[in-house]
Amino acid sequence: GAVVSQHPSRVICKSGTSVKIECRSLDFQATTMFWYRQFPKKSLMLMATSNEGSKATYEQGVEKDKFLINHASLTLSTLTVTSAHPEDSSFYICSASRADANTGELFFGEGSRLTVL
Amino acid sequence: AQRVTQPEKLLSVFKGAPVELKCNYSYSGSPELFWYVQYSRQRLQLLLRHISRESIKGFTADLNKGETSFHLKKPFAQEEDSAMYYCALGATSGSRLTFGEGTQLTVNP
Repeated sequence: GAVVSQHPSRVICKSGTSVKIECRSLDFQATTMFWYRQFPKKSLMLMATSNEGSKATYEQGVEKDKFLINHASLTLSTLTVTSAHPEDSSFYICSASRADANTGELFFGEGSRLTVL
Repeated sequence: AQRVTQPEKLLSVFKGAPVELKCNYSYSGSPELFWYVQYSRQRLQLLLRHISRESIKGFTADLNKGETSFHLKKPFAQEEDSAMYYCALGATSGSRLTFGEGTQLTVNP
């Protein structure tokens, strides 16, 4: 199977600090990773598309300076929430598509719950 | 613009009853449609996609371009089908997906 792992699964931080969330494809290479935000009882909102070796593409309304995305290798993408505020508290989920397949299937991480105090 | 609508946030049926989870989409191009499922305390996973035209765990979904729908159906629901179901639309394979708001299915004994 194709496994995507996120770390940390839960993080609590103080307002004004930065938090980094990692997304790793454990047994496959992922040229593209996607970052989503999920609000309670709501759908997944795509934040940005992360391509290995290039700048992320952000969705409209998502602040790229606030949510820094780095995709330095074919198995790792990171999301850094800079100067976090309570309204950034949310469930962040990443997904990845396999570089060696063209099925359209995305493999999801288990999600990271961020709580900003 | 891409848009996916799942009109039912909650759906409750009894075991053995047929179930249909509705999904409508809006997209000007040729769509690729998927159903993803999230069981309790588990991550999202692919259930099925319209291209493969397969039945997974007894579920099927047919793309109706005339009605712009991709409803998910199962003739006899099981308790283990209880989960959150998301319909998703992609423009091309491996591209960004637009998700519907999800339908929480509960299958009662």
